[in-house]
Amino acid sequence: SQQGEEDPQALSIQEGENATMNCSYKTSINNLQWYRQNSGRGLVHLILIRSNEREKHSGRLRVTLDTSKKSSSLLITASRAADTASYFCATDGGTGFQKLVFGTGTRLLVSP
Amino acid sequence: NAGVTQTPKFRVLKTGQSMTLLCAQDMNHEYMYWYRQDPGMGLRLIHYSVGEGTTAKGEVPDGYNVSRLKKQNFLLGLESAAPSQTSVYFCASQGTYYGYTFGSGTRLTVV
Repeated sequence: SQQGEEDPQALSIQEGENATMNCSYKTSINNLQWYRQNSGRGLVHLILIRSNEREKHSGRLRVTLDTSKKSSSLLITASRAADTASYFCATDGGTGFQKLVFGTGTRLLVSP
Repeated sequence: NAGVTQTPKFRVLKTGQSMTLLCAQDMNHEYMYWYRQDPGMGLRLIHYSVGEGTTAKGEVPDGYNVSRLKKQNFLLGLESAAPSQTSVYFCASQGTYYGYTFGSGTRLTVV
């Protein structure tokens, strides 16, 4: 069974707009990670947030974590066409860094 | 370039045939993983290894076997391929800290 579920399943925006994706998970975690997958390629690690953190930034990415609601959000500001990809959250189920469980992903389309 | 290399990139098998997928990493990572990715299902863990000589089952291990004889290599075997094993297979490695490094995937079709 999937630990993380992303919402929405698909998102279409214009360049320059912000994109927000949400992830809900089921059990306790030590950390939550976000990955990007370009079509036909492997996943690329974007950012990791620990369970004792509430917000983290990396460039145009902002991740929030609410452990009481078992949810996280990924915000991409000032989107570019190159941000077009699928985005996945992944949780460790409290195991630390082993055995990440991935959600089903959000497909983001950024139009020029 | 440092990273995770998967071979082959594409393969078509007939039902009942066997094959081995190879994953090699040059980052001296302890942990290695095999996932499969199917439409609408996300990634599901098949088997994983926490070090040379060790393997363990993941969420969907049936029909697959693995070996980790050398630290840098993690092999995934299909003894008797079935159409349900048609998928994209990803290998990933992980050091003692930080996220996974993924290979580019193997697209397998079983007919």
